[in-house]
Amino acid sequence: QPVLTQPPSASASLGASVTLTCTLSSGYSNYKVDWYQQRPGKGPRFVMRVGTGGIVGSKGDGIPDRFSVLGSGLNRYLTIKNIQEEDESDYHCGADHGSGSNFVNWVFGGGTKLTVL
Amino acid sequence: QVTLKESGPVLVKPTETLTLTCTVSGFSLSNARMGVSWIRQPPGKALEWLAHIFSNDEKSYSTSLKSRLTISKDTSKSQVVLTMTNMDPVDTATYYCARIVDGDYPLDYWGQGTLVTVSS
Repeated sequence: QPVLTQPPSASASLGASVTLTCTLSSGYSNYKVDWYQQRPGKGPRFVMRVGTGGIVGSKGDGIPDRFSVLGSGLNRYLTIKNIQEEDESDYHCGADHGSGSNFVNWVFGGGTKLTVL
Repeated sequence: QVTLKESGPVLVKPTETLTLTCTVSGFSLSNARMGVSWIRQPPGKALEWLAHIFSNDEKSYSTSLKSRLTISKDTSKSQVVLTMTNMDPVDTATYYCARIVDGDYPLDYWGQGTLVTVSS
């Protein structure tokens, strides 16, 4: 099954931009990845799905236009522009390694803690 | 408005069986396309997927935990239940349930989670 790798931390100044990276292990370059935002003390919130062609489907409820995604090779990126204080969160990436319509097998990265300076 | 809420014991002893309930609203478990997964997160660690139940009652389990897990649902109560046997302190975690539309879709709505501590 794929391994998803994320840097443990990132930081950006208020109003700046930041790009978070999720890297798939070798052999899984065709996989779509989902990004989730987890604010302190809260459950994860779906942000959006990304493949090599960019966003797949729709953004999650209430996700602002400041959030966008790109995919290239084994990397899946989440970019946040004009960072706000409420963006300070843990960001997780996940992918379904399930092989059929009645089988799922979700794997997640270690998460990146984004600090807003 | 779609919501999911986890409930269960805060503290369990080693070797005991954990039973968690996910109560959903804003959608129906009897809907032909609605499924629910359980995911956990040990303190300071990554998310770990545990189990999933499809709309047709088919189940999927984490390979590493399959022998200890059972997932079921009661559509009349809008509840999905997860049981985990032989609890150990390493199972201390926040347990979440999340909705997935059957097919190739994301975990689009999550509960707030419930922290379970395993200690004697």
